[in-house]
Amino acid sequence: DIQMTQSPSFVSASVGDRVTITCRASQVISRYLIWYQQKPGKAPNLLIYAASNLQSGVPSRFSGSGSGTDFTLTITSLQPEDFATYYCQQGDTFPYTFGQGTKLEIK
Amino acid sequence: EVQLVESGGGLVQPGGSLRLSCGASGFIFSSASMNWVRQAPGKGLEWVSWISRSSNVIHYAESVRGRFTISGDNAKNSLYLEMNSLRAEDTAVYYCTRDRPGVGLDSWGQGTLVTVSS
Repeated sequence: DIQMTQSPSFVSASVGDRVTITCRASQVISRYLIWYQQKPGKAPNLLIYAASNLQSGVPSRFSGSGSGTDFTLTITSLQPEDFATYYCQQGDTFPYTFGQGTKLEIK
Repeated sequence: EVQLVESGGGLVQPGGSLRLSCGASGFIFSSASMNWVRQAPGKGLEWVSWISRSSNVIHYAESVRGRFTISGDNAKNSLYLEMNSLRAEDTAVYYCTRDRPGVGLDSWGQGTLVTVSS
């Protein structure tokens, strides 16, 4: 199975800050990398697909980059509604696998 | 608007069975691949199973293979997950998700809670 490792697991930031979350795959997954946002008690919401494509309706302060095994999610100018948990997922090979999550908290 | 609505969760004893359902609307269900994804309380996301749009290709996570069965009914626009030999570690919120090729799990239901406990 492809292991997905996110870092950091927790990040504390303030409104207006820029935050970067990293996701590393245990083997090459080309660009089949997806990012989700999950708020407490809610289902996850797809933010970025194919490593760098913004899902319709997602604010442009979210961006993704990377290929191969290393990927990043960047949020510029954090807004109050961005404080949530973020997951990466590889869609290259079954079984699909998720990173362990990164919880973004308000400083 | 795409809508996915899960049902069928509840409290079941270890070794018991449960059948989850997911009603789909707002898209052509017979043209979509679908997944079940679960989340144990306070934990991360775990992919469970995938079924192709024609239901002729199915994949399972190793943790549920041989115990869970995914199926779809295009006439009823519904996805199912038959769960047998349930264990405490199967306790989770189960989400039904649509899988768009090249995109990912772009639509999720609200989830249904399965609790396995005596």
